[in-house]
Amino acid sequence: DTAVSQTPKYLVTQMGNDKSIKCEQNLGHDTMYWYKQDSKKFLKIMFSYNNKELIINETVPNRFSPKSPDKAHLNLHINSLELGDSAVYFCASSPRQEAYNEQFFGPGTRLTVL
Amino acid sequence: GQSLEQPSEVTAVEGAIVQINCTYQTSGFYGLSWYQQHDGGAPTFLSYNALDGLEETGRFSSFLSRSDSYGYLLLQELQMKDSASYFCAVRDPAGNYQLIWGAGTKLIIKP
Repeated sequence: DTAVSQTPKYLVTQMGNDKSIKCEQNLGHDTMYWYKQDSKKFLKIMFSYNNKELIINETVPNRFSPKSPDKAHLNLHINSLELGDSAVYFCASSPRQEAYNEQFFGPGTRLTVL
Repeated sequence: GQSLEQPSEVTAVEGAIVQINCTYQTSGFYGLSWYQQHDGGAPTFLSYNALDGLEETGRFSSFLSRSDSYGYLLLQELQMKDSASYFCAVRDPAGNYQLIWGAGTKLIIKP
């Protein structure tokens, strides 16, 4: 059983398009995250949700909009894609953000914007 | 500003011991974590230190000195499968306990 899953694994699209990445965790965790990892491997938190409520929203363009329909799902929608959005996007989860040390990561979605 | 410094690359020989250092400057501190990431893979949790001292988990150990804002990951009996990037990360209570990440250290292991 996959703990944190993401779809799609690869996404190639043209500039200006809108795309979504889906994330699901079956660990029963309360907190979910979206990270962006650039070509230099730098990991940056984008958003964090705790029980469907947004708790972290880093300086991310408004073109990025997370949606959490329930605490097991955190999807990421990106409007008007730009070349600089090309990166690997990781979803992660943890039981409770303030109390737990380990984050469990999904396999990543490699987004390429042409 | 908030920053974590770690070497960009470390090279070692199979069977040897290697230490990856991490120094941090963050507004708050709630613990230092280490993650491993193989090329094309996802980060996976290795260890966590909240208090000063050494934590050992099999071939891997992690050390923390809060007074020096410093920690390290020690890998013993290196195996080729340990070739990966290693990230240190600090939990910052001032920032909703989010993880502040270092830029990662690429560990290259030679036979």
